[in-house]
Amino acid sequence: QSVLTQPPSVSAAPGQKVTISCSGSSSNIGNNYVTWYQQLPGTAPKLLIYDNDKRPSGIPDRFSGSKSGTSATLGISGLQAGDEADYYCGTWDSSLLIGMFGGGTRLTVL
Amino acid sequence: EVQLLESGGGSVQPGGSLRLSCVASGFMFSRHGMNWVRQAPGKGLEWVAGISVSGTTFYVDSVKGRFTISRDNSKNTLYLEINSLRAEDTAKFFCAKDDGYIQFGNWGQGTLVTVSS
Repeated sequence: QSVLTQPPSVSAAPGQKVTISCSGSSSNIGNNYVTWYQQLPGTAPKLLIYDNDKRPSGIPDRFSGSKSGTSATLGISGLQAGDEADYYCGTWDSSLLIGMFGGGTRLTVL
Repeated sequence: EVQLLESGGGSVQPGGSLRLSCVASGFMFSRHGMNWVRQAPGKGLEWVAGISVSGTTFYVDSVKGRFTISRDNSKNTLYLEINSLRAEDTAKFFCAKDDGYIQFGNWGQGTLVTVSS
């Protein structure tokens, strides 16, 4: 069981917006930056969001991130079929001195 | 272009050992922390271990005392020595370049470790 809690699945229709939550504690999300990754089947994860809300070059602005207290949220707008994937949040835990990921959320585009 | 190429995975019996390697290119290896992340079949990502620029190491509790992360900057190579393997260690192991805490902008393709009798 992951320390960072994500919903197992979310779904929405093409063109719609979906949000994925990631809940932690003061020692991890509360005091460190959050990252988000997209993993397509059979591939390595891809960095989508870093430092809570920044996008690496090449990531479209349909993807957004935010953080409030001990929770973070990934938003994906203008959903496309190609967005179907598993999404993971990640952060550092300053008390345990370990990295951690959420359990992952599978996005289905209906 | 940043490239990370893992190798060393394979099929081993419980209690066995392996040494995974990750050869890096396209960036100043010695200036970046590096990490190992694993993913069991059909499961999520699990951060396993990290090593800083200065050589400080960090491990998830489940592998402490069994796994050892190290680096050879002269060879641009990251290692993971894994001992006393258990069935639950079966996973694809990825190496990842650190651009910040758990900010992994570059990943290898992974190497599969299978523990089975």
